[in-house]
Amino acid sequence: DIQMTQSPSSLSASVGDRVTITCRASQSISSYLNWYQQKPGKAPKLLIYAASSLQSGVPSRFSGSGSGTDFTLTISSLQPEDFATYYCQQSYSTPIFTFGPGTKVDIK
Amino acid sequence: EVQLVESGGGLVQPGGSLRLSCAASGFTFSSYEMNWVRQAPGKGLEWVSYISSSGSTIYYADSVKGRFTISRDNAKNSLYLQMNSLRAEDTAVYYCARGDYYGSGSYYINYFDYWGQGTLVTVSS
Repeated sequence: DIQMTQSPSSLSASVGDRVTITCRASQSISSYLNWYQQKPGKAPKLLIYAASSLQSGVPSRFSGSGSGTDFTLTISSLQPEDFATYYCQQSYSTPIFTFGPGTKVDIK
Repeated sequence: EVQLVESGGGLVQPGGSLRLSCAASGFTFSSYEMNWVRQAPGKGLEWVSYISSSGSTIYYADSVKGRFTISRDNAKNSLYLQMNSLRAEDTAVYYCARGDYYGSGSYYINYFDYWGQGTLVTVSS
């Protein structure tokens, strides 16, 4: 089974900060990596698919990169509405999927 | 507008059963793969089950295999999750999620592009 890890598990940042979240797979998954944002009490929202493709309607301050086992989600300038928990998801073993444990971004 | 609306959650005793439903609208339901994803209180996301667009291919997470059954009725634009032999560790918000993909030929990457609002299942005596 493919295991996913994320770091850090949480971080505190200020509005305007550049934020980077890392996701690592236990084996190479090429670009089969997606990112989701979840706010408290809400359903997850797709941000990035195929490691670096921005989902329609998602602000361009969000970007994704990486391939193989190491991936990053970057928020270029953190906005108040970006405080949330972010999850990576591998779809290499489709249709069996694995999510990372999440990274909570809160206000410093 | 794509909408997914779950229902059927509630309080059930250990060993009991529950059937979740997900009503889809705003897209051609029969053309899309569907999934169930759950989230225990204060915890992360866990993929539960997948069903192909026709219903012919089904997969489950090991944690629910043999106890849960996913199904769909394309004529009714509905997805279901029959949950039997429920355990305390099945307590979670259950989301239905639409599967879509990027790519072509032998290279395509699946992702979940629309999610319902979730329905809470509590397993407790």
